[in-house]
Amino acid sequence: AQSVAQPEDQVNVAEGNPLTVKCTYSVSGNPYLFWYVQYPNRGLQFLLKYITGDNLVKGSYGFEAEFNKSQTSFHLKKPSALVSDSALYFCAVRDDTGGFKTIFGAGTRLFVKA
Amino acid sequence: GAGVSQSPSNKVTEKGKDVELRCDPISGHTALYWYRQSLGQGLEFLIYFQGNSAPDKSGLPSDRFSAERTGGSVSTLTIQRTQQEDSAVYLCASTIRGGALDTQYFGPGTRLTVL
Repeated sequence: AQSVAQPEDQVNVAEGNPLTVKCTYSVSGNPYLFWYVQYPNRGLQFLLKYITGDNLVKGSYGFEAEFNKSQTSFHLKKPSALVSDSALYFCAVRDDTGGFKTIFGAGTRLFVKA
Repeated sequence: GAGVSQSPSNKVTEKGKDVELRCDPISGHTALYWYRQSLGQGLEFLIYFQGNSAPDKSGLPSDRFSAERTGGSVSTLTIQRTQQEDSAVYLCASTIRGGALDTQYFGPGTRLTVL
């Protein structure tokens, strides 16, 4: 069965510092991995996805994520955090066995302090 | 081009009443998903529509929940005899084809409060 774990409920970072939001997954086949962001009072927005190819995926707003097959992880990163990055981040996974269902993690709230 | 829209944005109802939540997907998108986001929880899959295929209802939590999609476009999620545990934000998303690689475009959600 597919599953996604986001081990941190909350991540606190000072503006200008690098940030990492962690995600690990479990799937039957090969994974398709996604990160979505939910800003206050706004809907979820797509940030980036890993399908195949380079393990480092670049996405919107300067975010990137690194796929690590051996550790079954897909951590979200940004070299220099902005206060405006403060939001709720969701990791999601599908597999390539033909299913359409996307499993989302519980979310990690990121606070960036000025 | 308009995004996914949902109505109402907020709904307060009394326990035992029925509610209907509406989703208008992006024009041309053939796949539509409903999710539930409870406080402190991730997104819980409810139901999936793809074109004219039979919907996958495997995520619906009870027979009080149902959904339909008319004309391959607008979808309505109905909750009968609402309970307090139904209180959550209900999110709708659409994709071009519903394939595994497709990005989901989410609506703003309907916040349901059952008193």
